[in-house]
Amino acid sequence: KNQVEQSPQSLIILEGKNCTLQCNYTVSPFSNLRWYKQDTGRGPVSLTIMTFSENTKSNGRYTATLDADTKQSSLHITASQLSDSASYICVVSLNYGGSQGNLIFGKGTKLSVKP
Amino acid sequence: DTAVSQTPKYLVTQMGNDKSIKCEQNLGHDTMYWYKQDSKKFLKIMFSYNNKELIINETVPNRFSPKSPDKAHLNLHINSLELGDSAVYFCASERREHNEQFFGPGTRLTVL
Repeated sequence: KNQVEQSPQSLIILEGKNCTLQCNYTVSPFSNLRWYKQDTGRGPVSLTIMTFSENTKSNGRYTATLDADTKQSSLHITASQLSDSASYICVVSLNYGGSQGNLIFGKGTKLSVKP
Repeated sequence: DTAVSQTPKYLVTQMGNDKSIKCEQNLGHDTMYWYKQDSKKFLKIMFSYNNKELIINETVPNRFSPKSPDKAHLNLHINSLELGDSAVYFCASERREHNEQFFGPGTRLTVL
C-alpha cells in the first residue's frame, strides 16, 4: 500500500533553534518527493522537490534530504524563526509511464516556534 | 497578480443545496487539481485536469463534478451537499514537466 508517514506529529521549539522533520514512504513507482509548508488558513507552498537521483536540496534555511534506498526524507530547518510556525507536508509522487501520476500526501508535522 | 485564485473564500450553506467553487490560474499551467482538506488537516486529491481532460478521479462521490471551461479554469460543482462535505477545498495548478504545484488560498465550506 502506498503510504507517506511523517514524524513527529507536532513539535515545539524555541526561536533560533534547529529542528528536523522526518518522512518515511512506501510508494512505488517513485517519481519525486516534495516538501510543502502550509501556514494556518492558507494553501501549501512548495519548499523543495527531489527526484530519485537527488539526495539533498536547499531552499534558504530549509534543507531536505532524500535516501531512496531506505525511502526516507528529512527536512532540516536552521535558525528557526517565528514565521516558520506552520504545518510541513511531505508528498510523494507516483510515476506512471513517465507522466505525472498520483500524489500521496503525508499528514504533516505541525511546527510551533516560540519566542 | 494572484497566481491561483479561488472564490468564494468562505461558503456556508444548508444540507441538500447545490454549490460551486471557482478556480482560476494565470500561470499558463496545463494541469489543475482539486483537493479536500478535512478537519484533521489531511489533504486528499479529488480531481486532476490536464488540458481539459480528467486524468485522476480519486473515488469521489459523483455529487462532485469538476468543470473546466478552459485551461485556466477548473470549477467544482457539488450537488446535494452533506454534512461530511464540510472541509477546506484547495485548487492547485502545475506545469507537468516542472513538478511544482501552486495552491490557491482555499475555500472553507461549512454545511449546516
